This record gives sequence, structure tokens and C-alpha cells, in this order.
Amino acid sequence: DQQVKQNSPSLSVQEGRISILNCDYTNSMFDYFLWYKKYPAEGPTFLISISSIKDKNEDGRFTVFLNKSAKHLSLHIVPSQPGDSAVYFCAASDLQFYFGTGTSLTVIP
Amino acid sequence: KAGVTQTPRYLIKTRGQQVTLSCSPISGHRSVSWYQQTPGQGLQFLFEYFSETQRNKGNFPGRFSGRQFSNSRSEMNVSTLELGDSALYLCASSDGRVGSEKLFFGSGTQLSVL
Repeated sequence: DQQVKQNSPSLSVQEGRISILNCDYTNSMFDYFLWYKKYPAEGPTFLISISSIKDKNEDGRFTVFLNKSAKHLSLHIVPSQPGDSAVYFCAASDLQFYFGTGTSLTVIP
Repeated sequence: KAGVTQTPRYLIKTRGQQVTLSCSPISGHRSVSWYQQTPGQGLQFLFEYFSETQRNKGNFPGRFSGRQFSNSRSEMNVSTLELGDSALYLCASSDGRVGSEKLFFGSGTQLSVL
């Protein structure tokens, strides 16, 4: 059973606008959440993370929000750039990492 | 530091054969984990090795096995290949602390089973 879900397989956004990628999880014991970015023919690279004791973490254009009561995680990219076009995976960890199925983001110039 | 290195980059096998994939972690990392990526399924966890011992295992059949050597390098073996085993196999390393913050991934081995 998928413990981490990304219900939007794809998302298209205009350059300069905000991209919002969403992720839901089922296990309330998860204590760490991460976002990874993956380009074709490359392995995923770490983007940003958040501990379960926080509800927001920012790193430049990237902000991750955590809503523990809703078991919901989101990644905001502002402003979106064409180089942000990639597949984004959310992940959650307790003793191991659980990944979502990914959202393919296309930023249109 | 050099990153995570996976070999080979591409593999083509036929049904019934077996295959061995190799992963060299980042220097100093003692944990190596393996993931299978298929379209629409995301990254499915296979297993994790820490200090030569399997520490966690996902829900894959026994045809999928692995091991880790004393230098932390890891191999994954798939026996009696099936068409459905065609996927990108990713290796990730970390320092191995429970709840460790990040995984560092290799570029993967693309396996095609004909």
C-alpha cells in the first residue's frame, strides 16, 4: 500500500508564476519529509526537507509546508523557471524512506 | 567527494537470465539502499544494507537479493528475470544514522528484459 501519494502526475506552469506540488501521506509516525528532483537519465537529487516539528522550511525559491493534521506536504517554487522542469518526488521517513510516484513539472517559457 | 557510482549504466537481458548490478557509495557512507523505478510506480524500496548487514527490506520477491562488502560497496542480484523487472534501478547512500536526513542517489542502471 502506497504510504506516500502524489496524486498529480503532471503540472504545467508559466515561467515566473508559482508552482505548487502536493503530497499526502498516511503514516503519522513519519518524522522527516523530503523533496527530490529528478532529470531524465539522472538519479534524484535532494532539494529541501522538513522535520515533523516544523510547519515550514524555506530555501531560496523553494518552500516546503507541512500540515500534520491533514497529513499533507506541499512544495512551492516561486518564481518558477524553465530549468525547474523535472520530476519531483516527495519522500517520508521513519526507519526507511518512502517515496511518492512523482509529479512531472513543466515550466513554460 | 566522488558521488554514488552505479555500473553498468545500461543492461539488456532476456527472460530467465540473472543480472548483477553494482553500487559504490560516497566515501564514508556505510548505508546503501536500492530502489526500483518504473513509470507510474515511483521509487519502490528494495532493501538497505548497513555495515554488511541487511537492515530493512521492501516487498519484493526472493529473486531480488543483495549484499554489501566491507568497503561498503554493494551489489544487487536479480535471478530468473521477468519482463516486469524492466526498470531503472537506483542505488542511494547515506551515513546510515537512523532518520538520516538525506539519501544521495547514483544515476541508476537501466535494465531492459526482453
